[in-house]
Amino acid sequence: GDSVTQMEGPVTLSEEAFLTINCTYTATGYPSLFWYVQYPGEGLQLLLKATKADDKGSNKGFEATYRKETTSFHLEKGSVQVSDSAVYFCALGVGAGSYQLTFGKGTKLSVIP
Amino acid sequence: DSGVTQTPKHLITATGQRVTLRCSPRSGDLSVYWYQQSLDQGLQFLIQYYNGEERAKGNILERFSAQQFPDLHSELNLSSLELGDSALYFCASSVGTSGTGSYTGELFFGEGSRLTVL
Repeated sequence: GDSVTQMEGPVTLSEEAFLTINCTYTATGYPSLFWYVQYPGEGLQLLLKATKADDKGSNKGFEATYRKETTSFHLEKGSVQVSDSAVYFCALGVGAGSYQLTFGKGTKLSVIP
Repeated sequence: DSGVTQTPKHLITATGQRVTLRCSPRSGDLSVYWYQQSLDQGLQFLIQYYNGEERAKGNILERFSAQQFPDLHSELNLSSLELGDSALYFCASSVGTSGTGSYTGELFFGEGSRLTVL
């Protein structure tokens, strides 16, 4: 079945460091891909998305490119801030136009000053 | 604030008991989704309702059931509770569902209900 595999943390970085969180997926058809973020004590919220191959999603300095050939959607940010400390989830929509999302297990990021 | 409200925020109960978790979706959202988040399994999709009707089912146990009422709020009922049911239960909502309207793919999550079974 459809699945998402993301690097497990925790990941600890110094402020202004470069961030990469790897995400690969297995899916039938052409899924939409998402990154959600969960700040402490809050629910998940959408960070960025891409709905077709080669699309690049971006938001708040984060970006990820939908790579069909490598079935990947890696999250990157050039310079992290303390406020980026959170848990990041990669997810896919089962089938085109689907809201039923399959999530990875999450990667906890801690950014230290 | 996502606009999705979940109650209660915390719940502690004993094995064998039954609990009800409640969710009010964002104003105007017709779809409600329930997810279970545990340390070992991560986020697991349980069930989706759209405008009062069950739309999709995931890894939901037979001991669990849900419904969506005419005012669009939803309840998740968990019965014959076991220790392994301890988890964070999230509700999410979206405007549409697969095959309706223009696609955004965005789910709006509540803050979750943390269930502890002792």
